[in-house]
Amino acid sequence: GAVVSQHPSWVICKSGTSVKIECRSLDFQATTMFWYRQFPKQSLMLMATSNEGSKATYEQGVEKDKFLINHASLTLSTLTVTSAHPEDSSFYICSAMWTTTTYTQYFGPGTRLTVL
Amino acid sequence: DQQVKQNSPSLSVQEGRISILNCDYTNSMFDYFLWYKKYPAEGPTFLISISSIKDKNEDGRFTVFLNKSAKHLSLHIVPSQPGDSAVYFCAASDTSYGKLTFGQGTILTVHP
Repeated sequence: GAVVSQHPSWVICKSGTSVKIECRSLDFQATTMFWYRQFPKQSLMLMATSNEGSKATYEQGVEKDKFLINHASLTLSTLTVTSAHPEDSSFYICSAMWTTTTYTQYFGPGTRLTVL
Repeated sequence: DQQVKQNSPSLSVQEGRISILNCDYTNSMFDYFLWYKKYPAEGPTFLISISSIKDKNEDGRFTVFLNKSAKHLSLHIVPSQPGDSAVYFCAASDTSYGKLTFGQGTILTVHP
């Protein structure tokens, strides 16, 4: 149980384009989903927290207009990187949690974004 | 301000011996702690967690110890296996917010 998927697993795009990453909880309903970014040889940096049906809460320093997060259902959250630039190239990881029973976050496999 | 610290960037252990990974935290509001295992270019895999009302939690070869007064937790893996080689992250949560704060990670290498 507690499987989280992400799609795509990797994406290469041109500078200026937008990229959408999907995060799905496959066998549970996620009241809360999180989006992280990981730079090479560094820890995971929380970008935002999203609750189903409400606006995402962004961490300090994360541009909400650049990283659009939608949590339309209890099993799906999307992260859209708008007008991507090379500095947005990174490994993006989502996690999901059902807060009624546990505070454990289960992570997706991650998405490698490369912006040319 | 690094609220969760893993001071050992790497640890090398012989197969069959015990691996001890350490983690310190500064925020006294943290009340839930977790350990994750991670391979490059993959998402973290949950290993074990502990609530602040406990001082020990065990799951198979993995045991997590929590010393609240010292703001310290550790993960014991015994016996260690080569397949345990990975990066281990400790994470802490203030469950009123649900967010996780991660340490920098420790690279564990288990030699056959």
